[in-house]
Amino acid sequence: QSALTQPPSASGTPGQRVSISCSGSGSNIGSNYVYWYQQLAGTAPRLLIYRSDQRPSGIPGRFSGSKSGTSASLAISGLRSEDEADYYCAAWDNSLNGLVFGGGTKLTVL
Amino acid sequence: QVQLVQSGAEVKKPGASVRVSCKAYGYTFTDYFIHWVRQAPGQGLEWMGCVNPNTGAAHYARKFQGGVTMTRDTSIATAYMELRKLRADDTAVYYCARVFGPVGEIDLWGQGTLVSVPS
Repeated sequence: QSALTQPPSASGTPGQRVSISCSGSGSNIGSNYVYWYQQLAGTAPRLLIYRSDQRPSGIPGRFSGSKSGTSASLAISGLRSEDEADYYCAAWDNSLNGLVFGGGTKLTVL
Repeated sequence: QVQLVQSGAEVKKPGASVRVSCKAYGYTFTDYFIHWVRQAPGQGLEWMGCVNPNTGAAHYARKFQGGVTMTRDTSIATAYMELRKLRADDTAVYYCARVFGPVGEIDLWGQGTLVSVPS
């Protein structure tokens, strides 16, 4: 049972906008930044969003993050086939005194 | 090139220990904490703990306290993760990763090391 809750799957067609949710609690998302990672099949994760809504250099503007209260979301606009991957949210948890991840969302581009 | 390079795949018997290494290239090793994250086959990411490269102090997730040791050797810019009393459900890919400071985003990951513990 993950500390952060994500839908197990999401899907969209090329060009569409999709959103992936991440629900937590006051000890993690409610108190700390949210991070989002993309994991392509067979590879290590890659940072997509940090400090809840910031993009590292090299990450396309199609990816955006937001946070409100104890929930966060990742939005991908102009969906492309190469976006097909697993997406994980993460946040530091003050009660557990560690980093917690969501269970991951498998995004399929139809 | 800025990267973390991990040691190769391991196959261990139940009850044995494994040590995975993680060598840093292209940046000042002591500027970033090294964290360890594992991923069982077909499963999600699980944070195990981290080590302060300056002091060597380590902090572990509650689940792994008493069963894991994280260390570093600054002279060769390498971090280590030793997991003891291996069980079949420890079969996973183990990643090292860096974070600027004790709390923050993981901005660089190693390539992963598969540890297999056949039952």
